[in-house]
Amino acid sequence: EAQVTQNPRYLITVTGKKLTVTCSQNMNHEYMSWYRQDPGLGLRQIYYSMNVEVTDKGDVPEGYKVSRKEKRNFPLILESPSPNQTSLYFCASRLGGKNTEAFFGQGTRLTVV
Amino acid sequence: AQKVTQAQTEISVVEKEDVTLDCVYETRDTTYYLFWYKQPPSGELVFLIRRNSFDEQNEISGRYSWNFQKSTSSFNFTITASQVVDSAVYFCALSELYNTNAGKSTFGDGTTLTVKP
Repeated sequence: EAQVTQNPRYLITVTGKKLTVTCSQNMNHEYMSWYRQDPGLGLRQIYYSMNVEVTDKGDVPEGYKVSRKEKRNFPLILESPSPNQTSLYFCASRLGGKNTEAFFGQGTRLTVV
Repeated sequence: AQKVTQAQTEISVVEKEDVTLDCVYETRDTTYYLFWYKQPPSGELVFLIRRNSFDEQNEISGRYSWNFQKSTSSFNFTITASQVVDSAVYFCALSELYNTNAGKSTFGDGTTLTVKP
């Protein structure tokens, strides 16, 4: 089954404790992105990757890191989480460029206390 | 700059009513792509439809239909004879050809649709 898998689905952590949210897709998609969803703000892109070892900032990259060592994986790293990073996070992949739809993971609800 | 506006934050209808979700976009590009996604209460995001800027034909898929009008920069979504299972947050999104961020769509803030039995 074609899918994007995020882990964990839910996470409560404390300020400053490094964490990683994993994302894996089995569709051999080139493009992967991370978004955060906050009430009234829609989905905002954090980082994106156009291929292995190619990543770039989206609209709200501060406080986040990513890596793309393999085509299928695109982890999101919060080196020192803060309460304003409490949000719902989605990983997405798409086959080609702008004309293709995005496939989303199930979402990760992160709470930083 | 690209922008997507979904002016209706929340809509509530009674089952079997028709409902239209509005989407207005802004872009400098002449080639772009528009999408609608559905986010049911379970939280996942599901792709519904894609339309490119050169194709202004309206589309119908069962109870769903989409009206794309370049003249008004709108890509509205209508659900006919709504059902409780249509209750969800609906997002309109835009991707621009000229944008160097090939993986990006700009999303509207979403419209929460509640269909009451």
